[in-house]
Amino acid sequence: KQEVTQIPAALSVPEGENLVLNCSFTDSAIYNLQWFRQDPGKGLTSLLLIQSSQREQTSGRLNASLDKSSGRSTLYIAASQPGDSATYLCAVLTSGTYKYIFGTGTRLKVLA
Amino acid sequence: SQTIHQWPATLVQPVGSPLSLECTVEGTSNPNLYWYRQAAGRGLQLLFYSVGIGQISSEVPQNLSASRPQDRQFILSSKKLLLSDSGFYLCAWSTGSRNNSPLHFGNGTRLTVT
Repeated sequence: KQEVTQIPAALSVPEGENLVLNCSFTDSAIYNLQWFRQDPGKGLTSLLLIQSSQREQTSGRLNASLDKSSGRSTLYIAASQPGDSATYLCAVLTSGTYKYIFGTGTRLKVLA
Repeated sequence: SQTIHQWPATLVQPVGSPLSLECTVEGTSNPNLYWYRQAAGRGLQLLFYSVGIGQISSEVPQNLSASRPQDRQFILSSKKLLLSDSGFYLCAWSTGSRNNSPLHFGNGTRLTVT
């Protein structure tokens, strides 16, 4: 059974810092891994999707990497801004299924 | 472009009352459809998913049910709500190749059972 863990659960940093969020999963047989952002009381917004054959994806100040063999992904946020404050979740789509399994998220607060 | 509509945005229902949440997707055909629930301070729990009309897979045994009467319509129901059914319900869709198919979410329904 696929299990997804995110560390840390919460993170508070000053504006301008580069930061790394971690996601680990127990079953390395996946189709893809996706990172999302969730603002309080809102739905999830897709940030990046990494296919199982890819090592990383970039969008603006965001870079996500995937090490499938070790069951890990990282989301790197460069030059953090107060507007980046949100909860970040990762989800994996396990091979042979249609089920996206989510981690519990990292709550990020960027201080001005 | 594809859009997903989910309603209502908020709902307060007494224990024992019925529930019907609706989700529709526009701009795509034969999407995979999902219902998730997010309890306060917790991650997303997959409740149901559907890969075609009339095909429903249940992940969590409980007093909720789902139906897909049309290709782009997904309904979450309950005959009698429990206090434990309170939470944030999210509908989502994906399509195409599972290797490169992002999951897209609606804005969610905040359900409070009193």
